[in-house]
Amino acid sequence: AQSVTQLDSQVPVFEEAPVELRCNYSSSVSVYLFWYVQYPNQGLQLLLKYLSGSTLVKGINGFEAEFNKSQTSFHLRKPSVHISDTAEYFCAVSDLGTDKLIFGTGTRLQVFP
Amino acid sequence: DTGVSQDPRHKITKRGQNVTFRCDPISEHNRLYWYRQTLGQGPEFLTYFQNEAQLEKSRLLSDRFSAERPKGSFSTLEIQRTEQGDSAMYLCASSRTGSNQPQHFGDGTRLSIL
Repeated sequence: AQSVTQLDSQVPVFEEAPVELRCNYSSSVSVYLFWYVQYPNQGLQLLLKYLSGSTLVKGINGFEAEFNKSQTSFHLRKPSVHISDTAEYFCAVSDLGTDKLIFGTGTRLQVFP
Repeated sequence: DTGVSQDPRHKITKRGQNVTFRCDPISEHNRLYWYRQTLGQGPEFLTYFQNEAQLEKSRLLSDRFSAERPKGSFSTLEIQRTEQGDSAMYLCASSRTGSNQPQHFGDGTRLSIL
């Protein structure tokens, strides 16, 4: 069965510092991977997705992620964060049978001034 | 593209009451998904539709839960005889068919059971 592990439940960082949010997945087959962001009392917004091709994927709001098949990882990065990036971030893998998303438990990014 | 719309945004009810939520997907999307999110957790899959056909239900979905998508457009999720453990955010998402198609989420319905 597929699963997603987000190793850090909370990541505090100062404004303009770089950040990396870690995500590891387990799957015996090829996967599609996604990062979503959730602001308080809102639904999830797609940041970026990896389907195939280049392992470095660029998304919205200056975020990017790198797919590493050998390490089964899909870490999210941003070189310089803003206060407005404070939110919950979810990594997800798409089940190839039903296309349902399997989410990690999330990482709360808190950006301090 | 008007986005996925969910109604109501918040629902407070007493234990034992029935509740119904509605989801209006993006119009050209034939896939519609329901997820449940409890505090501090990621969303968990409940069920999904391909047009009007309900193709899979999670074991999380007890007999008290039922979902419909009668004309392949909007969907409803009903919970009968609500329990404290049903308190959660219920999220709806829609997409085109295919694992590579991103799912677009609504803002959710937050259910609180008194």
